[in-house]
Amino acid sequence: DAGVIQSPRHEVTEMGQEVTLRCKPISGHDYLFWYRQTMMRGLELLIYFNNNVPIDDSGMPEDRFSAKMPNASFSTLKIQPSEPRDSAVYFCASSNRGGYTFGSGTRLTVV
Amino acid sequence: DAKTTQPTSMDCAEGRAANLPCNHSTISGNEYVYWYRQIHSQGPQYIIHGLKNNETNEMASLIITEDRKSSTLILPHATLRDTAVYYCIVRAFDMRFGAGTRLTVKP
Repeated sequence: DAGVIQSPRHEVTEMGQEVTLRCKPISGHDYLFWYRQTMMRGLELLIYFNNNVPIDDSGMPEDRFSAKMPNASFSTLKIQPSEPRDSAVYFCASSNRGGYTFGSGTRLTVV
Repeated sequence: DAKTTQPTSMDCAEGRAANLPCNHSTISGNEYVYWYRQIHSQGPQYIIHGLKNNETNEMASLIITEDRKSSTLILPHATLRDTAVYYCIVRAFDMRFGAGTRLTVKP
């Protein structure tokens, strides 16, 4: 198994642009999680899905952030418009009933 | 989810056992204790979890007190590659991370 796959690994974008982060969970895992990590705030849970349905999006910072999971093998996290304070590492993780498996993350820099 | 308290940082000599404590005095009966670690800027890595019995796997051992209000992660023979931030989390399901313990293994 290739694990949780995130793309891109690095993204540099200008303020105001739309950014889309992608995640492919491990096959057979029915939960998918999006996290954001910064030095100031640590690892924050943004949203998670169960069987492609969003269960808890209380961690999504504001309306500029949206996440979708159109099928069991793909999820996106979109920021529109992006701002410099969105610069962070974004992790995706998947799980069934046990421990989570994290992807390698996307390092986002908004200039 | 119950809150956890961990020391901010710890040092350990290479080859010695590293014992990382975690307090979770408000843990509920259905909440598991999970341990993860994060090496540099990589994604967090699952180590071990338990409910009330002690657990051991190829990476570590987890000792949970009888009242379940605290636990200890034991790395039996720490190596330089075990230098990382270690997170203790108690949860029924969704995982919310605290600040963790920064473990530095020294030669």
